[in-house]
Amino acid sequence: AQTVTQSQPEMSVQEAETVTLSCTYDTSESDYYLFWYKQPPSRQMILVIRQEAYKQQNATENRFSVNFQKAAKSFSLKISDSQLGDAAMYFCAYRSALDGANSKLTFGKGITLSVRP
Amino acid sequence: DGGITQSPKYLFRKEGQNVTLSCEQNLNHDAMYWYRQDPGQGLRLIYYSQIVNDFQKGDIAEGYSVSREKKESFPLTVTSAQKNPTAFYLCASSIVGGSGEQYFGPGTRLTVT
Repeated sequence: AQTVTQSQPEMSVQEAETVTLSCTYDTSESDYYLFWYKQPPSRQMILVIRQEAYKQQNATENRFSVNFQKAAKSFSLKISDSQLGDAAMYFCAYRSALDGANSKLTFGKGITLSVRP
Repeated sequence: DGGITQSPKYLFRKEGQNVTLSCEQNLNHDAMYWYRQDPGQGLRLIYYSQIVNDFQKGDIAEGYSVSREKKESFPLTVTSAQKNPTAFYLCASSIVGGSGEQYFGPGTRLTVT
Protein backbone atom coordinates (compact mmCIF):
# COMPACT_ATOMS: atom_id res chain seq x y z
CA ALA A 1 0.00 0.00 0.00
CA GLN A 2 1.15 3.49 -0.71
CA THR A 3 1.84 5.94 2.07
CA VAL A 4 2.34 9.69 2.04
CA THR A 5 4.31 11.40 4.79
CA GLN A 6 4.36 15.07 5.68
CA SER A 7 6.72 15.21 8.62
CA GLN A 8 6.47 18.92 9.42
CA PRO A 9 3.14 19.67 11.13
CA GLU A 10 3.62 23.44 11.03
CA MET A 11 5.68 26.02 9.18
CA SER A 12 5.84 29.79 9.14
CA VAL A 13 7.02 32.24 6.47
CA GLN A 14 7.42 35.99 6.24
CA GLU A 15 5.21 37.69 3.69
CA ALA A 16 6.98 38.03 0.28
CA GLU A 17 9.50 35.32 1.20
CA THR A 18 9.77 31.79 -0.19
CA VAL A 19 8.84 28.63 1.70
CA THR A 20 9.16 24.95 0.84
CA LEU A 21 6.79 22.30 2.17
CA SER A 22 8.09 18.73 2.22
CA CYS A 23 6.38 15.50 1.26
CA THR A 24 7.69 11.98 0.84
CA TYR A 25 5.82 8.93 -0.36
CA ASP A 26 6.36 5.23 -0.54
CA THR A 27 5.32 3.15 -3.53
CA SER A 28 6.54 0.24 -5.62
CA GLU A 29 4.83 1.61 -8.72
CA SER A 30 6.55 3.53 -11.47
CA ASP A 31 3.57 5.40 -12.87
CA TYR A 32 1.49 7.62 -10.64
CA TYR A 33 0.29 11.17 -9.99
CA LEU A 34 1.09 13.51 -7.14
CA PHE A 35 -0.92 16.49 -5.96
CA TRP A 36 -0.80 19.37 -3.52
CA TYR A 37 -4.09 20.60 -2.10
CA LYS A 38 -4.68 23.75 -0.05
CA GLN A 39 -7.28 24.03 2.71
CA PRO A 40 -7.72 27.64 3.90
CA PRO A 41 -9.68 28.55 7.05
CA SER A 42 -12.91 28.24 5.05
CA ARG A 43 -12.03 24.50 4.88
CA GLN A 44 -12.69 24.34 1.13
CA MET A 45 -10.10 22.00 -0.40
CA ILE A 46 -8.46 23.54 -3.45
CA LEU A 47 -6.16 21.78 -5.92
CA VAL A 48 -2.89 23.70 -6.11
CA ILE A 49 -0.72 21.67 -8.46
CA ARG A 50 -0.37 18.27 -10.11
CA GLN A 51 2.68 16.26 -11.19
CA GLU A 52 2.75 13.22 -13.45
CA ALA A 53 5.49 10.78 -12.46
CA TYR A 54 6.47 10.09 -16.07
CA LYS A 55 7.29 13.76 -16.61
CA GLN A 56 10.76 14.86 -15.63
CA GLN A 57 9.87 18.53 -15.76
CA ASN A 58 8.67 19.97 -12.48
CA ALA A 59 5.15 21.39 -12.56
CA THR A 60 4.62 25.12 -12.05
CA GLU A 61 1.48 27.15 -11.43
CA ASN A 62 2.20 30.85 -11.03
CA ARG A 63 3.91 31.26 -7.61
CA PHE A 64 3.66 27.55 -6.85
CA SER A 65 6.19 25.01 -8.09
CA VAL A 66 7.24 21.53 -7.13
CA ASN A 67 10.56 19.76 -6.76
CA PHE A 68 9.82 16.19 -7.83
CA GLN A 69 12.61 13.74 -7.06
CA LYS A 70 11.34 10.36 -8.27
CA ALA A 71 14.28 8.28 -7.10
CA ALA A 72 14.12 9.81 -3.64
CA LYS A 73 10.29 9.64 -3.63
CA SER A 74 10.14 13.25 -2.65
CA PHE A 75 7.60 15.86 -3.77
CA SER A 76 8.07 19.28 -2.18
CA LEU A 77 6.00 22.40 -2.83
CA LYS A 78 7.69 25.77 -3.15
CA ILE A 79 5.64 28.92 -2.63
CA SER A 80 7.35 32.06 -3.88
CA ASP A 81 6.49 35.63 -2.87
CA SER A 82 4.28 34.35 -0.06
CA GLN A 83 1.03 36.21 0.48
CA LEU A 84 -1.26 36.40 3.50
CA GLY A 85 -3.83 34.41 1.53
CA ASP A 86 -1.42 31.49 1.33
CA ALA A 87 -1.98 30.78 5.02
CA ALA A 88 -3.69 27.41 5.04
CA MET A 89 -3.26 23.73 5.60
CA TYR A 90 -1.51 21.98 2.71
CA PHE A 91 -1.97 18.34 1.86
CA CYS A 92 0.18 16.15 -0.36
CA ALA A 93 -1.62 13.28 -2.15
CA TYR A 94 -0.77 10.27 -4.30
CA ARG A 95 -2.74 8.39 -6.95
CA SER A 96 -1.72 5.25 -8.80
CA ALA A 97 -1.81 5.37 -12.61
CA LEU A 98 -1.94 1.62 -13.08
CA ASP A 99 -4.47 0.39 -15.61
CA GLY A 100 -7.61 -0.60 -13.81
CA ALA A 101 -6.53 1.16 -10.64
CA ASN A 102 -9.32 2.90 -8.83
CA SER A 103 -9.33 6.65 -8.47
CA LYS A 104 -8.48 6.75 -4.78
CA LEU A 105 -6.13 9.37 -3.47
CA THR A 106 -3.86 8.71 -0.50
CA PHE A 107 -3.35 11.88 1.54
CA GLY A 108 -0.66 12.94 3.94
CA LYS A 109 -1.68 14.38 7.31
CA GLY A 110 -1.10 17.94 6.17
CA ILE A 111 1.04 20.88 7.19
CA THR A 112 -0.24 24.15 8.58
CA LEU A 113 1.41 27.17 6.98
CA SER A 114 1.21 30.56 8.64
CA VAL A 115 2.28 33.78 6.91
CA ARG A 116 3.67 36.62 9.01
CA PRO A 117 2.89 40.16 7.79
CA ASP B 1 -21.45 27.06 -12.53
CA GLY B 2 -20.16 23.53 -12.26
CA GLY B 3 -19.29 22.27 -8.84
CA ILE B 4 -20.05 20.17 -5.80
CA THR B 5 -22.59 21.14 -3.19
CA GLN B 6 -22.90 19.76 0.31
CA SER B 7 -25.72 20.59 2.62
CA PRO B 8 -26.13 21.66 5.27
CA LYS B 9 -22.91 23.40 6.30
CA TYR B 10 -23.55 22.67 9.99
CA LEU B 11 -25.59 19.76 11.32
CA PHE B 12 -26.49 18.89 14.88
CA ARG B 13 -27.91 15.58 16.04
CA LYS B 14 -28.59 13.74 19.23
CA GLU B 15 -26.68 10.58 19.97
CA GLY B 16 -28.46 7.47 18.72
CA GLN B 17 -29.98 9.14 15.67
CA ASN B 18 -29.01 8.38 12.09
CA VAL B 19 -28.23 11.39 9.94
CA THR B 20 -27.77 11.75 6.18
CA LEU B 21 -25.33 14.19 4.60
CA SER B 22 -26.05 15.39 1.10
CA CYS B 23 -23.56 15.62 -1.77
CA GLU B 24 -24.47 16.66 -5.31
CA GLN B 25 -22.20 17.35 -8.28
CA ASN B 26 -22.86 18.72 -11.77
CA LEU B 27 -19.36 18.11 -13.13
CA ASN B 28 -20.45 14.92 -14.93
CA HIS B 29 -17.88 12.97 -12.92
CA ASP B 30 -18.28 9.23 -12.60
CA ALA B 31 -16.43 8.87 -9.31
CA MET B 32 -17.47 10.30 -5.95
CA TYR B 33 -15.92 10.06 -2.50
CA TRP B 34 -16.61 10.73 1.15
CA TYR B 35 -13.86 11.74 3.58
CA ARG B 36 -13.78 12.42 7.26
CA GLN B 37 -11.41 15.04 8.65
CA ASP B 38 -10.41 15.20 12.31
CA PRO B 39 -7.77 17.49 13.83
CA GLY B 40 -4.29 16.10 13.23
CA GLN B 41 -5.61 13.16 11.19
CA GLY B 42 -5.72 14.51 7.68
CA LEU B 43 -8.39 13.11 5.35
CA ARG B 44 -9.58 9.56 5.80
CA LEU B 45 -11.62 7.84 3.11
CA ILE B 46 -15.01 6.51 4.20
CA TYR B 47 -16.60 5.26 0.95
CA TYR B 48 -16.15 5.81 -2.74
CA SER B 49 -18.07 5.04 -5.90
CA GLN B 50 -16.82 4.86 -9.47
CA ILE B 51 -20.13 4.14 -11.12
CA VAL B 52 -23.84 4.35 -10.40
CA ASN B 53 -25.20 1.55 -8.20
CA ASP B 54 -21.72 0.48 -7.10
CA PHE B 55 -19.55 1.63 -4.21
CA GLN B 56 -16.62 0.38 -2.14
CA LYS B 57 -15.57 0.74 1.47
CA GLY B 58 -12.71 3.03 2.23
CA ASP B 59 -10.43 2.92 5.23
CA ILE B 60 -12.99 3.81 7.89
CA ALA B 61 -16.39 2.58 6.63
CA GLU B 62 -17.68 1.14 9.91
CA GLY B 63 -20.77 2.98 11.12
CA TYR B 64 -21.44 4.62 7.75
CA SER B 65 -23.53 3.74 4.71
CA VAL B 66 -23.92 5.23 1.23
CA SER B 67 -26.00 4.89 -1.91
CA ARG B 68 -25.36 5.85 -5.50
CA GLU B 69 -28.66 5.79 -7.34
CA LYS B 70 -27.82 8.75 -9.58
CA LYS B 71 -24.55 9.87 -11.10
CA GLU B 72 -24.95 13.32 -9.56
CA SER B 73 -25.68 12.27 -6.00
CA PHE B 74 -23.80 10.33 -3.32
CA PRO B 75 -25.45 10.72 0.10
CA LEU B 76 -23.70 9.52 3.25
CA THR B 77 -25.61 8.21 6.26
CA VAL B 78 -23.90 8.35 9.62
CA THR B 79 -25.54 5.64 11.68
CA SER B 80 -25.88 5.30 15.43
CA ALA B 81 -23.22 2.57 15.20
CA GLN B 82 -20.53 5.16 14.46
CA LYS B 83 -18.79 5.62 17.80
CA ASN B 84 -17.35 9.10 17.24
CA PRO B 85 -19.46 10.78 14.56
CA THR B 86 -18.59 14.38 15.39
CA ALA B 87 -16.25 15.50 12.58
CA PHE B 88 -15.93 17.52 9.40
CA TYR B 89 -17.13 15.58 6.34
CA LEU B 90 -15.92 16.31 2.83
CA CYS B 91 -17.38 15.03 -0.43
CA ALA B 92 -15.33 14.94 -3.64
CA SER B 93 -15.69 13.85 -7.24
CA SER B 94 -13.37 13.03 -10.12
CA ILE B 95 -13.20 11.45 -13.53
CA VAL B 96 -12.21 7.81 -13.59
CA GLY B 97 -8.78 7.39 -15.11
CA GLY B 98 -6.38 10.06 -16.28
CA SER B 99 -4.83 12.08 -13.51
CA GLY B 100 -7.99 11.65 -11.43
CA GLU B 101 -7.61 14.81 -9.39
CA GLN B 102 -10.50 15.22 -7.04
CA TYR B 103 -12.66 18.30 -6.66
CA PHE B 104 -14.17 18.95 -3.27
CA GLY B 105 -17.37 20.32 -1.87
CA PRO B 106 -17.41 22.90 0.95
CA GLY B 107 -17.92 20.25 3.65
CA THR B 108 -20.41 19.60 6.45
CA ARG B 109 -19.56 19.96 10.10
CA LEU B 110 -21.53 17.32 12.04
CA THR B 111 -21.86 17.61 15.79
CA VAL B 112 -23.46 14.79 17.75
CA THR B 113 -24.25 15.32 21.42
